[in-house]
Amino acid sequence: SQTIHQWPATLVQPVGSPLSLECTVEGTSNPNLYWYRQAAGRGLQLLFYSVGIGQISSEVPQNLSASRPQDRQFILSSKKLLLSDSGFYLCAWKEGGLPDTQYFGPGTRLTVL
Amino acid sequence: GQQLNQSPQSMFIQEGEDVSMNCTSSSIFNTWLWYKQDPGEGPVLLIALYKAGELTSNGRLTAQFGITRKDSFLNISASIPSDVGIYFCAGPRTGTASKLTFGTGTRLQVTL
Repeated sequence: SQTIHQWPATLVQPVGSPLSLECTVEGTSNPNLYWYRQAAGRGLQLLFYSVGIGQISSEVPQNLSASRPQDRQFILSSKKLLLSDSGFYLCAWKEGGLPDTQYFGPGTRLTVL
Repeated sequence: GQQLNQSPQSMFIQEGEDVSMNCTSSSIFNTWLWYKQDPGEGPVLLIALYKAGELTSNGRLTAQFGITRKDSFLNISASIPSDVGIYFCAGPRTGTASKLTFGTGTRLQVTL
């Protein structure tokens, strides 16, 4: 069966520091991968998605970037965090080529102080 | 762009009651997905609907794909405290099967 992991689970970082969040998927090949951000009590905002290694599409201009160095690994990064980057970051995967169902990871709670 | 409106935004119910919530759009969707998010966790897929008029159950949960393809409904029977959370509907964005549009969410709180 497929599983998705995210780490760290929580992170507190000072403004201006770098960021690296990691997401890995097991039990599937060539998945679509997604990064979402969720503000407190709000809905899900798609940040990036990837249909293959090295292929990244950005949804909104922002202070963040994403990379996919391996088939089942998706990384969210920033060179300098802003206060507004605080939030709950969710990674999701979907079987490539199959209907729309996405499966989410446990999330990373990021607080920028 | 596509929007999914969920109603109600929040609801307090007593344990044992049945719950109904819906998701509507001005656009047609070919798939409807229902997720539940517990506090501090990622959303979990509850039910996926792929055909207009389809009625699908998952335990005490039942979801329906509206015949107009512009709405979907989720019912929870005999609610229990662990039903607390936020329920999101979602559907594929126009022109791509790879990205989802999410609803605004219905927050459910269950009192004993």
